[in-house]
Amino acid sequence: EAGVAQSPRYKIIEKRQSVAFWCNPISGHATLYWYQQILGQGPKLLIQFQNNGVVDDSQLPKDRFSAERLKGVDSTLKIQPAKLEDSAVYLCASSGSGTSGGSFLEQFFGPGTRLTVL
Amino acid sequence: QKEVEQDPGPLSVPEGAIVSLNCTYSNSAFQYFMWYRQYSRKGPELLMYTYSSGNKEDGRFTAQVDKSSKYISLFIRDSQPSDSATYLCAMSASNYQLIWGAGTKLIIKP
Repeated sequence: EAGVAQSPRYKIIEKRQSVAFWCNPISGHATLYWYQQILGQGPKLLIQFQNNGVVDDSQLPKDRFSAERLKGVDSTLKIQPAKLEDSAVYLCASSGSGTSGGSFLEQFFGPGTRLTVL
Repeated sequence: QKEVEQDPGPLSVPEGAIVSLNCTYSNSAFQYFMWYRQYSRKGPELLMYTYSSGNKEDGRFTAQVDKSSKYISLFIRDSQPSDSATYLCAMSASNYQLIWGAGTKLIIKP
């Protein structure tokens, strides 16, 4: 079974520029998550999709961040314009191919995109 | 105060030692408790998942939950250099939204 794919793996941009990250979840997984992980901290949920609908985006800075999941499969996270404090690893995860609670709790993560904003 | 507290370490122990990793939490509604392992430049992967209180064992790993003290632990027996990683605890109430600790960096010295 192929894992969660993310690209690019690394990105360096200047502040005020825009950037986009792409995620392809595990086939059949209905739930997709985008997390921000700052060095030395645990992952912080930015947005959760169930199929192509948004379940939770309460911690997404909507003035600069946007995300979409077209056709309930791939997803894109965009930052525009970027700030210095956006430097972090952006993790995509997927879960929930079953109906039990446990299937939602086991999240499968991609390798992440390491963003540096200069 | 954070909902989940975890000592960031690093924790350095010799190969073969028993390792104890811990998290405390404040939300009594949490009922699902997880330990994820994260190697450098990789995403986290689920190690163990426990529902409510009690112990769960899987090979060299044992997870303990004490809901009365709001305290969870992960024990690693016969630690190996390959166990060197950051260990993240995560918890959830019935809404299945994970609340994460900051992670403890573990170093196993050969």
